[in-house]
Amino acid sequence: GNSVTQMEGPVTLSEEAFLTINCTYTATGYPSLFWYVQYPGEGLQLLLKATKADDKGSNKGFEATYRKETTSFHLEKGSVQVSDSAVYFCALSGTYKYIFGTGTRLKVLA
Amino acid sequence: DSGVTQTPKHLITATGQRVTLRCSPRSGDLSVYWYQQSLDQGLQFLIQYYNGEERAKGNILERFSAQQFPDLHSELNLSSLELGDSALYFCASSAEDRGGQETQYFGPGTRLLVL
Repeated sequence: GNSVTQMEGPVTLSEEAFLTINCTYTATGYPSLFWYVQYPGEGLQLLLKATKADDKGSNKGFEATYRKETTSFHLEKGSVQVSDSAVYFCALSGTYKYIFGTGTRLKVLA
Repeated sequence: DSGVTQTPKHLITATGQRVTLRCSPRSGDLSVYWYQQSLDQGLQFLIQYYNGEERAKGNILERFSAQQFPDLHSELNLSSLELGDSALYFCASSAEDRGGQETQYFGPGTRLLVL
């Protein structure tokens, strides 16, 4: 069946550091892939998405590329800020099914 | 603002009680999902409704039930509450694009505390 695996956290970085949060998936067919962000005390917000292979989703300086050959959708940001501290969830959408990863907590220190 | 609304925002109740959580999806979205998020278990999918009909079931306890009404709002009923039911409960709604793919949009959640 479909599944999503993302790197365990917490990830702690200094401000302006480069961020990568790994996400790999297994799926039949051609799912869409997503990153959601959850700030403390809030709900999940859609951060970016990609609907087919080689698509790049981007938003607020974050990027992720749908890599079919490596079944990956890693989240990257060139320079993180303290305000990026949150939990990040990778997800995929298949037929009648939406699968979330376990979430990766990011803490950015000033 | 995702366009998905949930009420109440906070709920405090006692063990053994019953509560109802309400969700209004984004305008035009036919699907509603319910999730439970507790500190140690991440995001757990409970149940999905599509245009009033149950479409998929996840790890939903028998003490929990849900329904989606003709106006597409949904309610999640939790009964015989236990301390372990204390969690954040999220609703999400989605619409399918022409390719049959969907994107979920989440509400702000209801924080339930069972004492």
